[in-house]
Amino acid sequence: EVQLVESGGGLVRPGGSLRLSCAASGFIFSDYDIHWVRQVTGRGLEWVSSIGSAGDTNYADSVRGRFTISRESGKNSFYLQMSSLTDEDTAVYYCARVRLLCTGDACYRPFDYWGQGTLVTVSS
Amino acid sequence: DFQLTQSPSFLSASVGDRVTITCRASRVISNYLAWYQQKPGKAPELLIYAASTLQSGVPSRFSGSGSGTEFTLTISSLQPEDFATYYCQRLNYYPRNIFGQGTRLEIK
Repeated sequence: EVQLVESGGGLVRPGGSLRLSCAASGFIFSDYDIHWVRQVTGRGLEWVSSIGSAGDTNYADSVRGRFTISRESGKNSFYLQMSSLTDEDTAVYYCARVRLLCTGDACYRPFDYWGQGTLVTVSS
Repeated sequence: DFQLTQSPSFLSASVGDRVTITCRASRVISNYLAWYQQKPGKAPELLIYAASTLQSGVPSRFSGSGSGTEFTLTISSLQPEDFATYYCQRLNYYPRNIFGQGTRLEIK
């Protein structure tokens, strides 16, 4: 059974740092891209960052330079290191797995599994 | 900047109703669109990708259509478990993901 379990959320002061973890199980870790998506309570979904199976990384403009995504094969885990946090970073953070799905001659990369989310609250 | 605009933002309907949610893209995206369902306190779940392909295990009362800039998600006969918030997602220009703002579907 595929599982993604986030941890590491909590209360942090503005300007502080936090590291989120996403523990993966039930699939071959190295075969999949993983993304982080966040959601302010009562609001919509915002893409944050991604790391590919080859280790390539991408970031939303709102977090580039402050957040770092990484993966650790030995622990089947992904991480989101967050620094210089502001109240605008307060949200539930989800990790999500990308599944390559092809129909005809086109391929698509939706998120087929998500973790349960971890809440990050930035407040003084 | 690219945007996905969902309408309506809020929808009230009854069990057994047929409902349609629209997602409009600010530029042509062919059929590179997915739909997700999110229930309160839970993570989103994939319903449809490639605009109209049902994800494995999703009930057949859900369907998607559209191409280019206009897409629809239809639920043919609402069930109690379908009351949730629905999001569309752009799938091209991977890995940069864009979501619509969501449509909240509530019981009338």
